[in-house]
Amino acid sequence: GAGVSQSPSNKVTEKGKDVELRCDPISGHTALYWYRQSLGQGLEFLIYFQGNSAPDKSGLPSDRFSAERTGGSVSTLTIQRTQQEDSAVYLCASSLRLAAKNIQYFGAGTRLSVL
Amino acid sequence: GQSLEQPSEVTAVEGAIVQINCTYQTSGFYGLSWYQQHDGGAPTFLSYNALDGLEETGRFSSFLSRSDSYGYLLLQELQMKDSASYFCAVRRNQGGKLIFGQGTELSVKP
Repeated sequence: GAGVSQSPSNKVTEKGKDVELRCDPISGHTALYWYRQSLGQGLEFLIYFQGNSAPDKSGLPSDRFSAERTGGSVSTLTIQRTQQEDSAVYLCASSLRLAAKNIQYFGAGTRLSVL
Repeated sequence: GQSLEQPSEVTAVEGAIVQINCTYQTSGFYGLSWYQQHDGGAPTFLSYNALDGLEETGRFSSFLSRSDSYGYLLLQELQMKDSASYFCAVRRNQGGKLIFGQGTELSVKP
């Protein structure tokens, strides 16, 4: 596709439910990142996939969060037993492998609201 | 720990020049990036510095001093459309992971 696509754009869920957020990166980009952005805050790194290497999961805030990337393309971020503090915008980005400037191209995000 | 400091808000008038500073303390440094984000929009890449000095891209320039752990973004000939949040982000190694600052909200007034 032309850019990074994320779905859904908005998700409202009840506390305790599981949610899945989807990211379609730019075709040919081997690196994929998930970030979280709370209102008026910076981007918080969650997880990073690079090709077939083991993902860097160092930013996942708890074991309720997990992500996978199938076939080196689409990625799904799963949040189990959602809590109100999980409410945020979840942003996905992709980049070319080891590009000199590491330009990351972001999707429009999924706004998650946990009631 | 890792920390990046940048002013929370900056206000300037149309046509002026504004500088947004960023100081960082990170374990490892490979490069400093700048991203722009309009309200409700996706962050977009502006500039990247891996070496000391000034990088110029049109109206935007970015500077880095590795010895001072400091960089800045310079915006010239400000336009109303430049009103947005600006984030500095450190790349700690050759991998792609970025650590972002809290962002600077720039308001451009007529």
